[in-house]
Amino acid sequence: GQNIDQPTEMTATEGAIVQINCTYQTSGFNGLFWYQQHAGEAPTFLSYNVLDGLEEKGRFSSFLSRSKGYSYLLLKELQMKDSASYLCAALDSNYQLIWGAGTKLIIKP
Amino acid sequence: GAVVSQHPSWVICKSGTSVKIECRSLDFQATTMFWYRQFPKQSLMLMATSNEGSKATYEQGVEKDKFLINHASLTLSTLTVTSAHPEDSSFYICSARGEREASYEQYFGPGTRLTVT
Repeated sequence: GQNIDQPTEMTATEGAIVQINCTYQTSGFNGLFWYQQHAGEAPTFLSYNVLDGLEEKGRFSSFLSRSKGYSYLLLKELQMKDSASYLCAALDSNYQLIWGAGTKLIIKP
Repeated sequence: GAVVSQHPSWVICKSGTSVKIECRSLDFQATTMFWYRQFPKQSLMLMATSNEGSKATYEQGVEKDKFLINHASLTLSTLTVTSAHPEDSSFYICSARGEREASYEQYFGPGTRLTVT
């Protein structure tokens, strides 16, 4: 079967760095997405990785290892507005997104 | 670019009535649109995938006669919840995907919060 695993909840301090891990098992693989979702709002796109390695975009970076079925989202210089759920989603062989349950990130002052 | 709108943003209806939710891609042609449902503190649940001009493909466990999807044009898809019941109360989100990008990114609408009384 297809499966995405990510931690349910994480807590971090304002100004610090946090890494949210995601492991995936899918029928075929065409890339991995990270989305941010604030409570009561729709998800917004953060990153897309299809090749191994680290993609940096401002305070956010995303890493992918296809051989390990593993990705992480790295958030630096955390701000209170970063408190949200972070969704990992893998694109399978049919180009359908398989969603993880999301990681709720709590930022404390 | 790549803006998706949804209307209405929230709706309250009585049990037994039907509700229609519209999803529009404003600045691109959406060859594929997706409808999701999300209950509080849970992740997105894909309900159905629709391609313009063809019948929607429903996920297992989703009643196609209850959740009617129409994707009549490359910029509009509608979801009609028929004979709504309180258990249908949820956050419904649409997303759209064009074929202009190789990443197959989905662009999400702002969501519709449905409350059935």
